Amino acid sequence: DADVTQTPRNRITKTGKRIMLECSQTKGHDRMYWYRQDPGLGLRLIYYSFDVKDINKGEISDGYSVSRQAQAKFSLSLESAIPNQTALYFCATSDGQGAETQYFGPGTRLLVL
Amino acid sequence: AQSVTQPDIHITVSEGASLELRCNYSYGATPYLFWYVQSPGQGLQLLLKYFSGDTLVQGIKGFEAEFKRSQSSFNLRKPSVHWSDAAEYFCAVGHFYGGSQGNLIFGKGTKLSVKP
Repeated sequence: DADVTQTPRNRITKTGKRIMLECSQTKGHDRMYWYRQDPGLGLRLIYYSFDVKDINKGEISDGYSVSRQAQAKFSLSLESAIPNQTALYFCATSDGQGAETQYFGPGTRLLVL
Repeated sequence: AQSVTQPDIHITVSEGASLELRCNYSYGATPYLFWYVQSPGQGLQLLLKYFSGDTLVQGIKGFEAEFKRSQSSFNLRKPSVHWSDAAEYFCAVGHFYGGSQGNLIFGKGTKLSVKP
């Protein structure tokens, strides 16, 4: 089984709808991250969490919210989706030690119509 | 502010040829540097990382990278490219919070195509 899983893998929604993207990990890591990827822009950080009680905004948090339900679960919500939130979303985890490797999930492809 | 620049958006090489992907960073102290690869339809996988010591770093799949502080560079190399290396490659620098590494700052990526 994959260490970092994301559901759903693909989602089509309409402008104004609220949607939630979920991330689960079995690596036992404290740190979790949400990124979005747009063609030609690389990955940009939306939110990150260093533990269950520590959640921080990233570079592009406007229009998004997160919930860290447990060490293993970190959800990203779009309160009212808009077309420019169409992107590929990645969850990642790390162990918080030294030069941390981040482990990425397979991504969720979101289309907002 | 920290930043990462990958000057080449798209590179095409012939199978068996050598490869060098460029990465330049802006960071005030000794950086933690990473190269990730994203195969089509996949998440990102770590190829290699540098944080101290030997400036030539070996990674998986036959890749290596060299940290050059004087040039603020961390270029990725492979002596002989295979068709399966076609993917998008991302350079990243670790961003620090309170003395420990936090998130990664990514370059915009270089897409590698391999000709038969």
